[in-house]
Amino acid sequence: GQNIDQPTEMTATEGAIVQINCTYQTSGFNGLFWYQQHAGEAPTFLSYNVLDGLEEKGRFSSFLSRSKGYSYLLLKELQMKDSASYLCAVRGSTDKLIFGTGTRLQVFP
Amino acid sequence: DGGITQSPKYLFRKEGQNVTLSCEQNLNHDAMYWYRQDPGQGLRLIYYSQIVNDFQKGDIAEGYSVSREKKESFPLTVTSAQKNPTAFYLCASSGVEGGTGETQYFGPGTRLLVL
Repeated sequence: GQNIDQPTEMTATEGAIVQINCTYQTSGFNGLFWYQQHAGEAPTFLSYNVLDGLEEKGRFSSFLSRSKGYSYLLLKELQMKDSASYLCAVRGSTDKLIFGTGTRLQVFP
Repeated sequence: DGGITQSPKYLFRKEGQNVTLSCEQNLNHDAMYWYRQDPGQGLRLIYYSQIVNDFQKGDIAEGYSVSREKKESFPLTVTSAQKNPTAFYLCASSGVEGGTGETQYFGPGTRLLVL
C-alpha cells in the first residue's frame, strides 16, 4: 500500500529551529511537496523536492533522500506565525498527490 | 490577481438535498482537483480533471459528482447519497511552472455542514 508518516504534533520556542520529518512508501515517486496550513485555511505551497538534497528558501529548507523514502522540513528562527499544520505530500506513479495527516506545530514565546 | 476562488465559504445542507460547491481559477491551469479534509486525516482526493470535458474518480468519489465544461471551472455536487458530507472541501489546480513539477495550488475552501 501507499503510506506517508509524519509526527502528529510538535512544539518549539520562538527563535528556535525545528525539524519535521516525513517518511513515505509509495508506488513510484515523482516529487515531494510540503504545504503549510493555518487552522481553518487552505494549504499554501512551501517547497518541492524531486532530487536528493537540500532546497533552501529563506527560513525554510526541505531535504529529500529517495533511497531512504525520507524528507524533512527545517524551520529556522521560528516565529509565532509559524504555528500551523505542515503537510507532506508525495506524487506517485499515477501523478496524484498522496497526503500525510499533517504535523501540527505550536510555537511558544 | 491570479488565483482560485471557492464559494460559498460556509454551506448548510439539509438531509436528502444536493448541494453544489463552486471552484473557479484564472491561472490558466489545465488540471483541477477536489479534496475533502476531515479532522485527523490527510486530504483525500474526490475527483480530478486533467483537461476540459474529462474527469476521473479519486479515492472517495461515491456520493459526489463533477463537471468540467470550461477550463476555468470545476464545480462539485455533493449528492444525497453522500451519507457523511460534513467536512472542509478544498479545490486545487496545477500547471507546469518554473520547475516545481506541477505544484497544486489551493482555493480558500468551503466548509459544508449538515443540518
